[in-house]
Amino acid sequence: EAGVAQSPRYKIIEKRQSVAFWCNPISGHATLYWYQQILGQGPKLLIQFQNNGVVDDSQLPKDRFSAERLKGVDSTLKIQPAKLEDSAVYLCASSWGLAGEITGELFFGEGSRLTVL
Amino acid sequence: QKEVEQDPGPLSVPEGAIVSLNCTYSNSAFQYFMWYRQYSRKGPELLMYTYSSGNKEDGRFTAQVDKSSKYISLFIRDSQPSDSATYLCAMKYPGANSKLTFGKGITLSVRP
Repeated sequence: EAGVAQSPRYKIIEKRQSVAFWCNPISGHATLYWYQQILGQGPKLLIQFQNNGVVDDSQLPKDRFSAERLKGVDSTLKIQPAKLEDSAVYLCASSWGLAGEITGELFFGEGSRLTVL
Repeated sequence: QKEVEQDPGPLSVPEGAIVSLNCTYSNSAFQYFMWYRQYSRKGPELLMYTYSSGNKEDGRFTAQVDKSSKYISLFIRDSQPSDSATYLCAMKYPGANSKLTFGKGITLSVRP
């Protein structure tokens, strides 16, 4: 079974530039998550989709971050304009159902590492 | 006070040692508890989950939850160099829209 695919793996940009990350979840997984993991910290949820609807985007800085999940499959996360503090690994994860499932098992991709200079 | 606090690291132990990793939490509404393992430059993967107080064992790993003290632990017996990774505790409330809250993670190094 193929895992969660993310691209690009690494990206270096200057502040105020824009960047986009792409995620393809595991086939059949209804729920898709974007997490931000700053060095030395645990992942922080940015946005959660159920199929192509947003379930939770309370921690997404909406003045500069946007995300979409067209047709309930692939998703893109965009940052525009980027700030120095956006340097982090952006992790995409997927699961069979809503995060209310008991196991809490999310399947993560390898992440997209962003450096903002 | 953060919702989830995890013991600071890094932690370095010799091969074969017993390792104890700990997290505390402040919100008694958390009912489901997980441990994720994250190898360098990889995404986290679920190691263990539990939703009740007590112990749950899986091979060399034991997850312990004490809801009265708001304290969870992960024990690794006979630690191996392949256990070298960052360990993240995570927890969530019941409910369809509940999200995982992660600890900061602790990096473990097992020396051969």
